[in-house]
Amino acid sequence: DVKVTQSSRYLVKRTGEKVFLECVQDMDHENMFWYRQDPGLGLRLIYFSYDVKMKEKGDIPEGYSVSREKKERFSLILESASTNQTSMYLCASRPGYGELFFGEGSRLTVL
Amino acid sequence: GENVEQHPSTLSVQEGDSAVIKCTYSDSASNYFPWYKQELGKRPQLIIDIRSNVGEKKDQRIAVTLNKTAKHFSLHITETQPEDSAVYFCAATSGADGLTFGKGTHLIIQP
Repeated sequence: DVKVTQSSRYLVKRTGEKVFLECVQDMDHENMFWYRQDPGLGLRLIYFSYDVKMKEKGDIPEGYSVSREKKERFSLILESASTNQTSMYLCASRPGYGELFFGEGSRLTVL
Repeated sequence: GENVEQHPSTLSVQEGDSAVIKCTYSDSASNYFPWYKQELGKRPQLIIDIRSNVGEKKDQRIAVTLNKTAKHFSLHITETQPEDSAVYFCAATSGADGLTFGKGTHLIIQP
């Protein structure tokens, strides 16, 4: 069974704080993704990565950065959290052209 | 980039009836069209997918049809059951990039 694990299920941060969301997958997938899910807006792609140290912008990268130092780990970074970044964040991985596997999600609240 | 439109946003059907959810996409290069089901509080999970060289695919009570000329694809659920209640997302992609998702359909099965 593919496992995508997100380190934090629930986080509460203050405006201006730096936030790290960590994601680990155990199936040696090349591609990893960060999505943001908001009611009525579906899932929107923030960033993705094809390989270690590689990253590509998705549809809504503003205010976010990512890091992929190891193949199994993909981190999402909010340099200075803002209230409009309150959301559910979903990490996912994919073996090339195949199925996208999601983590459980990290619900971030920025006060 | 790709744009995926999904309708309806909410669908209520009587238990035992059929449900149909429709999606359109904009990028003629898209060749992979998955459908994800997300139950309340859980991660999205793949229920069925179709590639552009196939017009229809069926798995028990679930079927997906694809019309490449019109750039639309649909999910059909027959003999709906209470456990079919969830949010359903369609998606499209042309390669190993992140999937572009529709905004989702909340399917409600009325007893």
